[in-house]
Amino acid sequence: AIQMTQSPSSLSASVGDRVTITCRASQGIRNDLGWYQQKPGKAPKLLIYAASSLQTGVPSRFSGSGSGTDFTLTISSLQPEDFATYYCLQDYIYPLTFGGGTRVEIK
Amino acid sequence: QITLKESGPTLVKPTQTLTLTCTFSGFSITSSGVGVGWIRQPPGKPLEWLALIYRNGDKRYSPSLENRLTITEDTSKNQVVLIMTNMDPVDTATYYCAHRRQEIIGNYFGPWGQGILVTVSS
Repeated sequence: AIQMTQSPSSLSASVGDRVTITCRASQGIRNDLGWYQQKPGKAPKLLIYAASSLQTGVPSRFSGSGSGTDFTLTISSLQPEDFATYYCLQDYIYPLTFGGGTRVEIK
Repeated sequence: QITLKESGPTLVKPTQTLTLTCTFSGFSITSSGVGVGWIRQPPGKPLEWLALIYRNGDKRYSPSLENRLTITEDTSKNQVVLIMTNMDPVDTATYYCAHRRQEIIGNYFGPWGQGILVTVSS
Protein backbone atom coordinates (compact mmCIF):
# COMPACT_ATOMS: atom_id res chain seq x y z
CA ALA A 1 0.00 0.00 0.00
CA ILE A 2 1.10 3.57 -0.66
CA GLN A 3 2.22 5.34 2.50
CA MET A 4 1.23 8.97 2.94
CA THR A 5 3.46 11.00 5.25
CA GLN A 6 2.22 14.36 6.44
CA SER A 7 4.34 17.04 8.04
CA PRO A 8 4.31 18.60 10.44
CA SER A 9 2.09 16.48 12.68
CA SER A 10 1.06 19.65 14.46
CA LEU A 11 1.73 23.35 14.29
CA SER A 12 0.83 26.49 16.19
CA ALA A 13 -0.08 29.58 14.25
CA SER A 14 -1.78 32.93 14.68
CA VAL A 15 -4.77 34.36 12.90
CA GLY A 16 -3.55 35.91 9.67
CA ASP A 17 -0.55 33.61 9.32
CA ARG A 18 0.26 31.75 6.13
CA VAL A 19 0.25 28.03 6.85
CA THR A 20 1.71 25.25 4.73
CA ILE A 21 1.16 21.53 5.24
CA THR A 22 2.94 18.90 3.18
CA CYS A 23 2.08 15.36 2.21
CA ARG A 24 4.55 12.93 0.67
CA ALA A 25 3.57 9.69 -1.07
CA SER A 26 5.80 6.62 -0.96
CA GLN A 27 5.41 6.33 -4.73
CA GLY A 28 4.09 8.53 -7.50
CA ILE A 29 0.34 9.17 -7.46
CA ARG A 30 0.06 11.67 -10.35
CA ASN A 31 -2.26 14.36 -8.97
CA ASP A 32 -4.70 11.94 -7.33
CA LEU A 33 -4.70 13.57 -3.92
CA GLY A 34 -7.34 15.22 -1.77
CA TRP A 35 -7.25 17.36 1.35
CA TYR A 36 -9.82 17.09 4.13
CA GLN A 37 -10.47 19.27 7.17
CA GLN A 38 -11.78 17.80 10.41
CA LYS A 39 -12.89 19.77 13.43
CA PRO A 40 -13.18 18.11 16.86
CA GLY A 41 -16.19 15.82 17.08
CA LYS A 42 -17.16 16.47 13.46
CA ALA A 43 -16.95 14.55 10.21
CA PRO A 44 -14.19 15.40 7.74
CA LYS A 45 -14.95 17.93 5.04
CA LEU A 46 -13.52 17.94 1.55
CA LEU A 47 -11.39 20.99 0.76
CA ILE A 48 -9.42 20.09 -2.36
CA TYR A 49 -9.33 17.19 -4.80
CA ALA A 50 -7.12 16.31 -7.75
CA ALA A 51 -4.32 18.06 -5.82
CA SER A 52 -5.42 21.59 -6.68
CA SER A 53 -9.15 21.72 -7.44
CA LEU A 54 -11.01 23.71 -4.81
CA GLN A 55 -14.29 22.12 -3.78
CA THR A 56 -17.34 24.31 -4.30
CA GLY A 57 -17.98 26.55 -1.33
CA VAL A 58 -14.48 26.27 0.15
CA PRO A 59 -12.85 29.69 0.76
CA SER A 60 -10.20 30.73 -1.73
CA ARG A 61 -7.60 31.13 1.03
CA PHE A 62 -7.19 27.35 0.75
CA SER A 63 -5.06 26.10 -2.12
CA GLY A 64 -3.34 22.90 -3.08
CA SER A 65 -0.40 22.08 -5.28
CA GLY A 66 1.91 19.27 -6.25
CA SER A 67 2.06 16.12 -8.31
CA GLY A 68 3.92 12.84 -8.25
CA THR A 69 5.03 12.35 -4.66
CA ASP A 70 5.03 15.80 -3.05
CA PHE A 71 1.95 17.86 -2.28
CA THR A 72 1.15 21.02 -0.36
CA LEU A 73 -1.93 22.50 1.26
CA THR A 74 -1.65 26.23 1.86
CA ILE A 75 -3.89 28.49 3.91
CA SER A 76 -2.98 32.00 2.82
CA SER A 77 -4.35 33.83 5.85
CA LEU A 78 -5.40 31.65 8.76
CA GLN A 79 -8.85 32.38 10.15
CA PRO A 80 -10.28 31.37 13.54
CA GLU A 81 -12.50 28.74 11.92
CA ASP A 82 -9.50 27.07 10.28
CA PHE A 83 -8.14 25.61 13.50
CA ALA A 84 -8.64 21.91 12.86
CA THR A 85 -6.87 18.74 11.78
CA TYR A 86 -6.07 18.31 8.10
CA TYR A 87 -5.68 14.99 6.29
CA CYS A 88 -4.43 14.11 2.84
CA LEU A 89 -5.82 11.10 0.97
CA GLN A 90 -4.25 9.40 -2.01
CA ASP A 91 -6.87 8.42 -4.57
CA TYR A 92 -4.53 6.90 -7.13
CA ILE A 93 -4.70 3.23 -6.30
CA TYR A 94 -6.44 0.86 -3.90
CA PRO A 95 -6.19 0.65 -0.98
CA LEU A 96 -6.90 4.33 -0.55
CA THR A 97 -4.65 5.69 2.18
CA PHE A 98 -4.77 8.74 4.40
CA GLY A 99 -1.92 10.69 5.89
CA GLY A 100 -1.48 10.81 9.64
CA GLY A 101 -2.98 14.27 9.95
CA THR A 102 -1.74 17.75 10.80
CA ARG A 103 -3.27 19.51 13.76
CA VAL A 104 -3.37 23.29 13.41
CA GLU A 105 -3.58 24.97 16.80
CA ILE A 106 -3.88 28.53 18.00
CA LYS A 107 -0.61 30.18 19.03
CA GLN B 1 -28.64 18.56 -1.31
CA ILE B 2 -26.71 15.40 -0.54
CA THR B 3 -27.02 13.95 2.95
CA LEU B 4 -25.90 10.70 4.53
CA LYS B 5 -26.49 9.20 7.95
CA GLU B 6 -25.02 6.14 9.61
CA SER B 7 -27.06 3.87 11.85
CA GLY B 8 -26.44 0.69 13.78
CA PRO B 9 -25.38 -0.56 17.20
CA THR B 10 -23.09 1.58 19.30
CA LEU B 11 -21.91 -1.30 21.45
CA VAL B 12 -20.94 -4.77 20.29
CA LYS B 13 -19.21 -7.64 22.03
CA PRO B 14 -15.94 -9.18 20.89
CA THR B 15 -16.40 -11.82 18.16
CA GLN B 16 -19.81 -10.42 17.21
CA THR B 17 -20.72 -9.16 13.75
CA LEU B 18 -21.29 -5.44 13.20
CA THR B 19 -23.88 -4.27 10.68
CA LEU B 20 -23.93 -0.57 9.82
CA THR B 21 -26.37 1.12 7.48
CA CYS B 22 -25.77 4.31 5.55
CA THR B 23 -29.01 5.98 4.46
CA PHE B 24 -28.52 8.71 1.90
CA SER B 25 -30.48 11.22 -0.13
CA GLY B 26 -29.78 13.66 -2.92
CA PHE B 27 -28.05 11.22 -5.24
CA SER B 28 -28.44 7.80 -6.78
CA ILE B 29 -25.85 5.09 -6.57
CA THR B 30 -27.04 3.90 -9.98
CA SER B 31 -25.55 7.00 -11.58
CA SER B 32 -22.24 6.83 -13.38
CA GLY B 33 -19.28 7.89 -11.29
CA VAL B 34 -21.17 7.79 -8.01
CA GLY B 35 -20.61 5.53 -5.05
CA VAL B 36 -20.56 5.29 -1.27
CA GLY B 37 -17.53 4.65 0.88
CA TRP B 38 -16.91 3.70 4.50
CA ILE B 39 -14.09 5.19 6.53
CA ARG B 40 -13.36 4.75 10.23
CA GLN B 41 -11.40 6.63 12.88
CA PRO B 42 -10.33 5.12 16.21
CA PRO B 43 -10.40 7.63 19.07
CA GLY B 44 -7.52 10.07 18.71
CA LYS B 45 -6.18 8.37 15.58
CA PRO B 46 -6.15 9.07 11.84
CA LEU B 47 -8.76 8.12 9.29
CA GLU B 48 -8.74 4.66 7.69
CA TRP B 49 -10.50 3.77 4.45
CA LEU B 50 -12.49 0.52 4.65
CA ALA B 51 -14.64 -0.10 1.58
CA LEU B 52 -16.35 1.37 -1.48
CA ILE B 53 -19.28 0.42 -3.65
CA TYR B 54 -20.28 1.78 -7.04
CA ARG B 55 -23.17 0.98 -9.32
CA ASN B 56 -23.56 -2.48 -10.71
CA GLY B 57 -21.99 -3.86 -7.55
CA ASP B 58 -18.42 -2.77 -8.22
CA LYS B 59 -16.85 -3.17 -4.78
CA ARG B 60 -13.44 -2.38 -3.29
CA TYR B 61 -12.07 -3.33 0.11
CA SER B 62 -9.11 -2.52 2.29
CA PRO B 63 -6.86 -5.59 1.94
CA SER B 64 -6.09 -5.63 5.66
CA LEU B 65 -9.78 -6.13 6.45
CA GLU B 66 -11.11 -7.70 3.27
CA ASN B 67 -11.76 -11.10 4.82
CA ARG B 68 -13.99 -9.48 7.45
CA LEU B 69 -15.87 -6.91 5.37
CA THR B 70 -18.90 -7.03 3.12
CA ILE B 71 -20.45 -3.97 1.49
CA THR B 72 -23.83 -4.12 -0.19
CA GLU B 73 -26.38 -1.71 -1.63
CA ASP B 74 -30.14 -1.48 -1.59
CA THR B 75 -30.95 1.03 -4.29
CA SER B 76 -34.68 0.86 -3.58
CA LYS B 77 -34.06 2.15 -0.07
CA ASN B 78 -31.10 4.43 -0.87
CA GLN B 79 -28.98 2.50 1.57
CA VAL B 80 -25.51 0.98 1.70
CA VAL B 81 -24.72 -1.61 4.34
CA LEU B 82 -21.31 -2.50 5.77
CA ILE B 83 -20.89 -5.79 7.59
CA MET B 84 -17.77 -6.46 9.67
CA THR B 85 -17.32 -9.85 11.26
CA ASN B 86 -15.38 -11.00 14.31
CA MET B 87 -15.26 -7.61 16.01
CA ASP B 88 -12.39 -6.87 18.38
CA PRO B 89 -11.77 -4.02 20.84
CA VAL B 90 -9.25 -2.55 18.37
CA ASP B 91 -12.19 -2.01 16.00
CA THR B 92 -13.60 0.59 18.40
CA ALA B 93 -13.94 3.68 16.23
CA THR B 94 -16.23 6.25 14.70
CA TYR B 95 -17.48 4.83 11.41
CA TYR B 96 -18.34 7.26 8.62
CA CYS B 97 -20.03 6.77 5.30
CA ALA B 98 -19.38 9.26 2.54
CA HIS B 99 -20.62 10.12 -0.93
CA ARG B 100 -18.02 9.10 -3.49
CA ARG B 101 -17.62 10.94 -6.74
CA GLN B 102 -15.50 10.02 -9.72
CA GLU B 103 -14.87 12.94 -12.05
CA ILE B 104 -12.67 13.29 -15.10
CA ILE B 105 -10.04 15.25 -13.20
CA GLY B 106 -10.20 13.24 -9.99
CA ASN B 107 -12.14 11.46 -7.28
CA TYR B 108 -13.22 12.50 -3.82
CA PHE B 109 -15.32 11.77 -0.75
CA GLY B 110 -17.86 14.41 0.07
CA PRO B 111 -20.08 15.08 1.81
CA TRP B 112 -19.76 12.72 4.76
CA GLY B 113 -22.25 11.41 7.27
CA GLN B 114 -22.04 12.54 10.89
CA GLY B 115 -20.44 9.26 11.94
CA ILE B 116 -21.38 6.63 14.50
CA LEU B 117 -19.15 5.66 17.40
CA VAL B 118 -18.99 1.90 17.78
CA THR B 119 -17.45 0.49 20.95
CA VAL B 120 -16.33 -3.12 21.13
CA SER B 121 -16.37 -4.37 24.68
CA SER B 122 -17.59 -7.33 26.67
